[in-house]
Amino acid sequence: GAVVSQHPSRVICKSGTSVKIECRSLDFQATTMFWYRQFPKQSLMLMATSNEGSKATYEQGVEKDKFLINHASLTLSTLTVTSAHPEDSSFYICSASGTGKNQPQHFGDGTRLSIL
Amino acid sequence: AQTVTQSQPEMSVQEAETVTLSCTYDTSESDYYLFWYKQPPSRQMILVIRQEAYKQQNATENRFSVNFQKAAKSFSLKISDSQLGDAAMYFCAYRSAVGGATNKLIFGTGTLLAVQP
Repeated sequence: GAVVSQHPSRVICKSGTSVKIECRSLDFQATTMFWYRQFPKQSLMLMATSNEGSKATYEQGVEKDKFLINHASLTLSTLTVTSAHPEDSSFYICSASGTGKNQPQHFGDGTRLSIL
Repeated sequence: AQTVTQSQPEMSVQEAETVTLSCTYDTSESDYYLFWYKQPPSRQMILVIRQEAYKQQNATENRFSVNFQKAAKSFSLKISDSQLGDAAMYFCAYRSAVGGATNKLIFGTGTLLAVQP
């Protein structure tokens, strides 16, 4: 079945560091990928929709300069948390779907980000 | 705007018994998809089952089945013969069919299912 790979699975870094998270579709082309943030025991909150070859669409309240998204190819999207601070600590998860109308979204395994 | 509501924050079921998780949604669209995702402690999101709104027949995947009531905008998940491995957070989700697979998922708040041995 369709697989989405997300890397790294865990990041611990100092405040002020920028962190890049990769999301790859391994066996299908994904024109659209989605980035979510999830706090403990809460639902997934959509941060942005990443479109191949164009600018990402950010949800209301999400700082686009803070969370940089690049979708340079049909199999790779990256999320960069710039100048991360402790309040950015969270679980980040990506998803991707194929180009067909009926394609479900497949999720990566997520990245646990901890900012010290 | 579409919304998804899961009114049961937590549920518990005995092993081998049956449990039903509730989900209601609100939309003015006639063509859409509904999903149930499972998120175990590993936090991996696993697609359990999906339903296309234009199909009247309820979807079934092994021990998992749904009761899709389009007029009532209800989409409940039934888990039969519950197993310890079914313990997880379950999310109901909606996706518009207009525009295809590039549409975002709208999630409910989730139901935490515990399975008692």
